[in-house]
Amino acid sequence: KQEVTQIPAALSVPEGENLVLNCSFTDSAIYNLQWFRQDPGKGLTSLLLIQSSQREQTSGRLNASLDKSSGRSTLYIAASQPGDSATYLCAVRDTGFQKLVFGTGTRLLVSP
Amino acid sequence: GAVVSQHPSWVICKSGTSVKIECRSLDFQATTMFWYRQFPKQSLMLMATSNEGSKATYEQGVEKDKFLINHASLTLSTLTVTSAHPEDSSFYICSARDGGGGVETQYFGPGTRLLVL
Repeated sequence: KQEVTQIPAALSVPEGENLVLNCSFTDSAIYNLQWFRQDPGKGLTSLLLIQSSQREQTSGRLNASLDKSSGRSTLYIAASQPGDSATYLCAVRDTGFQKLVFGTGTRLLVSP
Repeated sequence: GAVVSQHPSWVICKSGTSVKIECRSLDFQATTMFWYRQFPKQSLMLMATSNEGSKATYEQGVEKDKFLINHASLTLSTLTVTSAHPEDSSFYICSARDGGGGVETQYFGPGTRLLVL
């Protein structure tokens, strides 16, 4: 059974810092990995999707990497802003039933 | 981009009543819809997967007689929480897969917060 873990569970940084969020998964047989953002009491916004054959994806200040063999992904946020404050979820899609399995999330607070 | 809506956005009900939550894909046909549950400060847990016109597939530990899912059309799925109890209070999120897109084209609704008193 696939298990997805995110470290740290919570992170508080001053504005302008570069930061790294970590995601690990137990079964490397994945179809793809996706990073989401969730604001309090809201649904999910997809940030980046990395196919299993890819190593990284970039969008603006966000960069996500994938090391499938070691079961790890990182989300790098450059020059953090207060508007980045949210919970970040990673999710892996398995190759069998194509279901998304979500991680435990990292709650990020960027203070001005 | 594709939009998935949920109604209601929040609901408060008395213990023992049934609550229906609607999930609609507004500008695409959703061949598959997913229902997730999220408890405070926890991640999303998949409850069930439904394909249009067929019975839903429930995840282990989810009572199919308590959480009734109907996916009668390509744009609408409903989740009914029957005889709700306080432990059913949670944030319910639906997701829809675009039948015309790739497998990764899955869109999420804004969620419905349920509070059972």
